[in-house]
Amino acid sequence: DTEVTQTPKHLVMGMTNKKSLKCEQHMGHRAMYWYKQKAKKPPELMFVYSYEKLSINESVPSRFSPECPNSSLLNLHLHALQPEDSALYLCASSPGLAGGYTQYFGPGTRLTVL
Amino acid sequence: DQQVKQNSPSLSVQEGRISILNCDYTNSMFDYFLWYKKYPAEGPTFLISISSIKDKNEDGRFTVFLNKSAKHLSLHIVPSQPGDSAVYFCAARGFLIQGAQKLVFGQGTRLTINP
Repeated sequence: DTEVTQTPKHLVMGMTNKKSLKCEQHMGHRAMYWYKQKAKKPPELMFVYSYEKLSINESVPSRFSPECPNSSLLNLHLHALQPEDSALYLCASSPGLAGGYTQYFGPGTRLTVL
Repeated sequence: DQQVKQNSPSLSVQEGRISILNCDYTNSMFDYFLWYKKYPAEGPTFLISISSIKDKNEDGRFTVFLNKSAKHLSLHIVPSQPGDSAVYFCAARGFLIQGAQKLVFGQGTRLTINP
């Protein structure tokens, strides 16, 4: 089972709204990732959590706030976003130390900011 | 500074023939390479990977070749099928930190398989 699930599938929000994206995996992976992907572009890394601790923040604006409540869950809290933040947001996970290098991606959340 | 490059934005191949997707990289510290396939509005799906200590890895219809001296890798799909039509991303492992890793992606190549 290499499934990463993401909810919601689609999200439309105004610039003053607060919303959250959710990601879940039950593969026992210890590293989880948030990516942003614009049309016809490769995925762009935003955050990495390793063993529930934030390991990498790729200078993402503070209107994006990640959270890792436990080893299976990853959230991305959104507040005061801009229209240019509209994109496909992808979650991924990988095993962690001594567990292999492959990242497995979820289906993504299509976010539209009005 | 684009460390992983896929110079062909698109490729069209006849069904049943071989598809060859290419990828070049500049950083000799990359030690692991992956290929992902992506359909529109879906997340990337892992296809095949190769360690830098190998020059070939095969999985069914998919074979990845690595030429370290040329800093070049290629994905061969044979025979090509209509369901292979998708965008293919090459990715290189940048560095490890506490068990997590940073992947550096190429720009992608859109493969179209014609009946």
